[in-house]
Amino acid sequence: QKEVEQDPGPLSVPEGAIVSLNCTYSNSAFQYFMWYRQYSRKGPELLMYTYSSGNKEDGRFTAQVDKSSKYISLFIRDSQPSDSATYLCAMSAGPGGSEKLVFGKGTKLTVNP
Amino acid sequence: SAVISQKPSRDICQRGTSLTIQCQVDSQVTMMFWYRQQPGQSLTLIATANQGSEATYESGFVIDKFPISRPNLTFSTLTVSNMSPEDSSIYLCSVQDRGFLYGYTFGSGTRLTVV
Repeated sequence: QKEVEQDPGPLSVPEGAIVSLNCTYSNSAFQYFMWYRQYSRKGPELLMYTYSSGNKEDGRFTAQVDKSSKYISLFIRDSQPSDSATYLCAMSAGPGGSEKLVFGKGTKLTVNP
Repeated sequence: SAVISQKPSRDICQRGTSLTIQCQVDSQVTMMFWYRQQPGQSLTLIATANQGSEATYESGFVIDKFPISRPNLTFSTLTVSNMSPEDSSIYLCSVQDRGFLYGYTFGSGTRLTVV
């Protein structure tokens, strides 16, 4: 079993839709959870991060972590064509480079106008 | 956040040759990280480069194949040696940005094709 599982999609939605992106993981030591967005021919950029369980909201984006189920989610409300990108989940057991980041394969999202 | 300049952005190389990828950061950073992103695969950490010490390689990656230099706190290079078509991938450098709160910043990547 891979440490982090992420459905690669692709996922195609109409503009304005609510998008749900998910990852599951097997390592119970993971405490730090991140979502990165990667546009074509660009490097990943940090979108959201959370520590341990709970929810975090930033504008149209909400990140959720359920450690009991080893499941994390990213919700995008009122999706826009500019949200079209690949979304990568990432997680680590410790902060600040003390533990390596483990990434999912990424989900490719297309938001159609 | 830090700004990373990575060169070259892409290259097509003959098998058996080597390519050196450069990563320049606009601020001093302790650790720099090199990743590989193969089609349909996760971003995979190759090695961690600290200034003034040997790079630390992850399982499956060796110094002879991926030598790394880290001459100062703003610069690093990754060499892909004796390339084969299996080395065709995107290579990315990354730095931890002003504490974990800000996560990690990535360069735009080097898209390598080996023919």
